[in-house]
Amino acid sequence: GNSVTQMEGPVTLSEEAFLTINCTYTATGYPSLFWYVQYPGEGLQLLLKATKADDKGSNKGFEATYRKETTSFHLEKGSVQVSDSAVYFCALSDQYAGGTSYGKLTFGQGTILTVHP
Amino acid sequence: DTAVSQTPKYLVTQMGNDKSIKCEQNLGHDTMYWYKQDSKKFLKIMFSYNNKELIINETVPNRFSPKSPDKAHLNLHINSLELGDSAVYFCASSPRVINTGELFFGEGSRLTVL
Repeated sequence: GNSVTQMEGPVTLSEEAFLTINCTYTATGYPSLFWYVQYPGEGLQLLLKATKADDKGSNKGFEATYRKETTSFHLEKGSVQVSDSAVYFCALSDQYAGGTSYGKLTFGQGTILTVHP
Repeated sequence: DTAVSQTPKYLVTQMGNDKSIKCEQNLGHDTMYWYKQDSKKFLKIMFSYNNKELIINETVPNRFSPKSPDKAHLNLHINSLELGDSAVYFCASSPRVINTGELFFGEGSRLTVL
């Protein structure tokens, strides 16, 4: 079956530091890949996604590239802010026509990021 | 207004009890889900409903019974609670059953079974 493995946390950084959160996956076929973020006291929300190999998803300064050869989707940001402190979840879903899914997401275990001023 | 709201946010109860968690979405979406976050923090799908019809049932014990009175509500009833049911339960919604993979989640309901 499908599975997602994220780097263990927590990750603690100073403001303006470079961020990488590793994510690798196991799946049959060509899944869609996602990063979700959960800010304190809120529900998970989609941060970015990619639906095919070599696609780069980006949002709010975060980027992740769909690497089929290494089955990875690492999250990066060049300069983190205190407001980026949150839990980050990597996820995948089986993909149907046109990059769609049935909403059946397989998540990693989440990585807690804390950014200090 | 919270888009996807769950109640209660925290629930502490004894083994053997029956409890319910309620979820409501005001986004006008057709499809709703229950996900469970286990002790290792992995989120796993339990159920999905599309316009009150069960679409996904992921081999969940039949002590768990979802109910969708209308497409804006999806409740989760759990009978004869066990210690292993302690978890955070997330409700989510999406516009349609076939979607982009963007789900809208509630804040979660933390269930502790003593």
